[in-house]
Amino acid sequence: DIVMTQSPDSLAVSPGERATINCKSSQSVLYTSQNKNYLAWFQQKPGQPPKLLFYWSSTRVSGVPDRFSVSGSGTDFTLTISSLQAEDVAVYYCQQYYSLPITFGQGTRLEIK
Amino acid sequence: QVQLVQSGAEEKKPGASVKLSCKGSGYTFTTYYINWVRQAPGQGLEWMGVISPSGSRITYAQKFQGRVTMTTDTSTGTVYMEMSGLRSEDTAVYYCARDRYAEDYFDLWGQGTLVTVSS
Repeated sequence: DIVMTQSPDSLAVSPGERATINCKSSQSVLYTSQNKNYLAWFQQKPGQPPKLLFYWSSTRVSGVPDRFSVSGSGTDFTLTISSLQAEDVAVYYCQQYYSLPITFGQGTRLEIK
Repeated sequence: QVQLVQSGAEEKKPGASVKLSCKGSGYTFTTYYINWVRQAPGQGLEWMGVISPSGSRITYAQKFQGRVTMTTDTSTGTVYMEMSGLRSEDTAVYYCARDRYAEDYFDLWGQGTLVTVSS
């Protein structure tokens, strides 16, 4: 199984400041023949199902604000929120879909400082 | 409206079984696989398995092999997930989520079903 490890587990950032969440996979999720990373990012707010933010590691879902950006390839990925807004308070998960079983990172709880 | 609608909350005794449903609407049911993911209170997301729209391809997470059964009803566009031998540790919100072909991203989730297992 591919193990996904996120860091940090929790993060408190002041409004307008940058938030950075890291995700590391135990093996590469890059499908080299397609040049695609089989990695997605989700945002989950209390009482709601997860919401897809990015897939193929860097394809933004329609409606996701530009302050969210991603980077990385292979085994190391980063989700950045450039200027934190109150509505960004949530738990963020990375997920690999390179191979079954599908696995998620443990989640990063993002709070307002 | 494209959506996955799940059945309502369940309360079960230890050792009992539960059968949850997930009905797709607003899209072509036969085009998407359905995954089941659970989330224990205050915990992360745990993938349980995936079923093709026809039911011909099913993959369960090893942890749930022998205790979980996924089925589909293409006539109603509904997927079912039955879990037997419930334990208190199975108390969780159970989500269904669709993707195009198993090893794919989840672009749509159901609202979740809370299953509480308690004596």
